[in-house]
Amino acid sequence: IQMTQSPSSLFASVGDRVTITCRASENIDNYLNWYQQKPGQAPKVLICAASTLRSGVPSRFSGSGSGTEFTLTISSLQPEDFASYYCQQSYSAPRTFGQGTKVEVK
Amino acid sequence: EVQLVQSGAEVKKPGESLKISCKGSGYTFANSWIGWVRQMPGKGLEWMGIVYPGDSNTRYSPSFQGQVTVSADTSMNTTYLQWSSLKASDTAMYFCARQWLYFESSVRVIPLFDYWGQGTLVTVSS
Repeated sequence: IQMTQSPSSLFASVGDRVTITCRASENIDNYLNWYQQKPGQAPKVLICAASTLRSGVPSRFSGSGSGTEFTLTISSLQPEDFASYYCQQSYSAPRTFGQGTKVEVK
Repeated sequence: EVQLVQSGAEVKKPGESLKISCKGSGYTFANSWIGWVRQMPGKGLEWMGIVYPGDSNTRYSPSFQGQVTVSADTSMNTTYLQWSSLKASDTAMYFCARQWLYFESSVRVIPLFDYWGQGTLVTVSS
């Protein structure tokens, strides 16, 4: 299963609403996870099952979608949110990742 | 506290063999799949393969099948990723991660990587 994210990068300011899209090459129901990775760090899971926020993740993060199209939204971007974001399908092995979206300072 | 601690950075020459490790603690090691993820310099995450330490069952991405071997030793609470003959293109950061199962319902179970190692940088250069 191929996962395609858009955009590959975006420039935003603190307080902005940011939306990242992830498309699957076939129906994956809601078997979709989102990860955040900061430079020099391991990824951290934010959302599983397309829309379930993991414990400790701020409520400004939200996920939606089902089937082949999914979105990750940051309602009000904070300084610590400048990072790369990856979707991952967990419908079937290999559990492929999207190519990533880098959120940069405008 | 769940922890995955990976072995240190490696510098190798093309053609050499290598085995890197990932030691788990703070949970029942045998009962959770451990996956390996590659990140080439400046690039994204690639799912390589996964092992179930309890019975050493493994699954590989077609992109990595035959190129690497994933294994586990429950007596050491450790999983391994190994190469028999490294190439320059194997230069990358390698992460291990625990696969957790989120039970959305009694019949819908969503796998995810919930804990990650700190990464092992492998540099292959002549």
